[in-house]
Amino acid sequence: GAVVSQHPSRVICKSGTSVKIECRSLDFQATTMFWYRQFPKQSLMLMATSNEGSKATYEQGVEKDKFLINHASLTLSTLTVTSAHPEDSSFYICSAPREGLHGYTFGSGTRLTVV
Amino acid sequence: AQSVTQPDIHITVSEGASLELRCNYSYGATPYLFWYVQSPGQGLQLLLKYFSGDTLVQGIKGFEAEFKRSQSSFNLRKPSVHWSDAAEYFCAVGERAGSYQLTFGKGTKLSVIP
Repeated sequence: GAVVSQHPSRVICKSGTSVKIECRSLDFQATTMFWYRQFPKQSLMLMATSNEGSKATYEQGVEKDKFLINHASLTLSTLTVTSAHPEDSSFYICSAPREGLHGYTFGSGTRLTVV
Repeated sequence: AQSVTQPDIHITVSEGASLELRCNYSYGATPYLFWYVQSPGQGLQLLLKYFSGDTLVQGIKGFEAEFKRSQSSFNLRKPSVHWSDAAEYFCAVGERAGSYQLTFGKGTKLSVIP
């Protein structure tokens, strides 16, 4: 089946540094990638939608200069959290829709802790 | 815009008892509907999905869900719960066109008493 490989699974970084999260589609081409954030005991909230070869679309309230999204190829989308702060600590998950919505394939998530 | 409501934040059932998790949605047309399960610290696993056709959908791990258009509901059921079913369950609605955006409910935490 379709797989989206997401890494790192866990990362601890110091406040003020940047962290890159990668999502790679292993056996299909992901023209679109959704990026979600999940705070403890809460639901998944869509942060942004990346499309290969074009600028990402950010949801209201999400700082595009802080959460840099790159979708340079059909198999790789990256989310970079710049100048991370403790309030950015969260669980980040990517997801790619496939074949006209015959499914969404999720990455396994990245637990980011900013200290 | 679509929205999803899961009225129950936390449900506790005894092992072997039946389970029903409620989900109501708001969408302008017939939606794509999904149920996902998430264990602590883990990613999401798809339990089942509805796109069209038979409104009673069978999923993995013995789960099923029924799409009721008149009630805008897509409730998840299982006849006999196992301790390993304890997790967080999310209902989601997906757009049929455009961005194919997926919107999640707030989730229902299931606890299972041995």
